[in-house]
Amino acid sequence: KNQVEQSPQSLIILEGKNCTLQCNYTVSPFSNLRWYKQDTGRGPVSLTIMTFSENTKSNGRYTATLDADTKQSSLHITASQLSDSASYICVVTTSGGSYIPTFGRGTSLIVHP
Amino acid sequence: SAVISQKPSRDICQRGTSLTIQCQVDSQVTMMFWYRQQPGQSLTLIATANQGSEATYESGFVIDKFPISRPNLTFSTLTVSNMSPEDSSIYLCSVEDLAGNGYTFGSGTRLTVV
Repeated sequence: KNQVEQSPQSLIILEGKNCTLQCNYTVSPFSNLRWYKQDTGRGPVSLTIMTFSENTKSNGRYTATLDADTKQSSLHITASQLSDSASYICVVTTSGGSYIPTFGRGTSLIVHP
Repeated sequence: SAVISQKPSRDICQRGTSLTIQCQVDSQVTMMFWYRQQPGQSLTLIATANQGSEATYESGFVIDKFPISRPNLTFSTLTVSNMSPEDSSIYLCSVEDLAGNGYTFGSGTRLTVV
């Protein structure tokens, strides 16, 4: 069964600090992995997308890494800001003919001043 | 990437009634997806809406409860029928970004059934 597990479930950090969110998956065959940011009451917004051959992708203060061998990804947030408070969702899509992505439950990040 | 306008953004409904959620996309797309996100949970795919054919429903979701319309390539509706408090959730529509940037989501509809 395709699964995406994220950790931690929630995280509280102080403004200006860095943090790293984890994503482990069992989705196979692998096509791509995406990280989304979901503000409260809003739809998810794409941060990064990585295919099998990519092991790192940056988008401003967000850097995602991918280890396709161990089926792990991380999202590193640098110099956190209050606006980073949101849920971060890891999404993995297969390449086996199904376009249906598998969603993680998300990590709820709270940035305190 | 595509821009999706979803409405209503939120609603409070009486049990036994129905609510229709609309999604308008600013470009033509083949497939539109409808998701449910229950509190603290990940997104769950309800169905895929293709223009000109019946929607394809995932296990646990049926057409009588969640009828979907897809009259053209830029618009779709999802109806939550005969609502109960268990239907309280966020409902989201989504399309795949053909530029390869992932899936674009509507802003969501927060439904509360009382």
